[in-house]
Amino acid sequence: DTAVSQTPKYLVTQMGNDKSIKCEQNLGHDTMYWYKQDSKKFLKIMFSYNNKELIINETVPNRFSPKSPDKAHLNLHINSLELGDSAVYFCASTRDSGGTDTQYFGPGTRLTVL
Amino acid sequence: GENVEQHPSTLSVQEGDSAVIKCTYSDSASNYFPWYKQELGKGPQLIIDIRSNVGEKKDQRIAVTLNKTAKHFSLHITETQPEDSAVYFCAAAYNFNKFYFGSGTKLNVKP
Repeated sequence: DTAVSQTPKYLVTQMGNDKSIKCEQNLGHDTMYWYKQDSKKFLKIMFSYNNKELIINETVPNRFSPKSPDKAHLNLHINSLELGDSAVYFCASTRDSGGTDTQYFGPGTRLTVL
Repeated sequence: GENVEQHPSTLSVQEGDSAVIKCTYSDSASNYFPWYKQELGKGPQLIIDIRSNVGEKKDQRIAVTLNKTAKHFSLHITETQPEDSAVYFCAAAYNFNKFYFGSGTKLNVKP
């Protein structure tokens, strides 16, 4: 069984469009995250949600809006896509919110903005 | 905020040799230090981790050491194999699950 899943795996779109990436975890974890990995492989945290509540927002443009309908899902909606948004986006989850537990990552969504 | 630096950015070793990757962190409040392996086209996967109350941890061919005073930690892979080739990331975490990642090390194990 897939622990953390993301859809779609690949997303190609034009500048200015709005798109969403979905994430689901079946581990029963309380905390979920979104990371952005750029072309140089640098992983940067974007958001963190604990039990559907936002706990981290790392100065991400407000074109990015995470939505957590329940603690097993954390979707990422991006408005007015820009060329610089092209990257691989990873969802992850952990059991607790104390910063001392293993993160499980999804397979990633490669976003290409043309 | 936390700043994690990782070296080297690329590392090439012969099969059977050892590989060492080093990371430093800036925030003494960090108390959890995981290492991830990322294979091409996949998400990072945890390979080993260490908490701030432990100085060393070993799991078969992989070991991690932590020096809290100097704020650095290292990954050691012994008897490397071609399947160890991947990008390795260190990370440091503290309150509210804020994970900060190093810039990654591309390890190439030559057969």
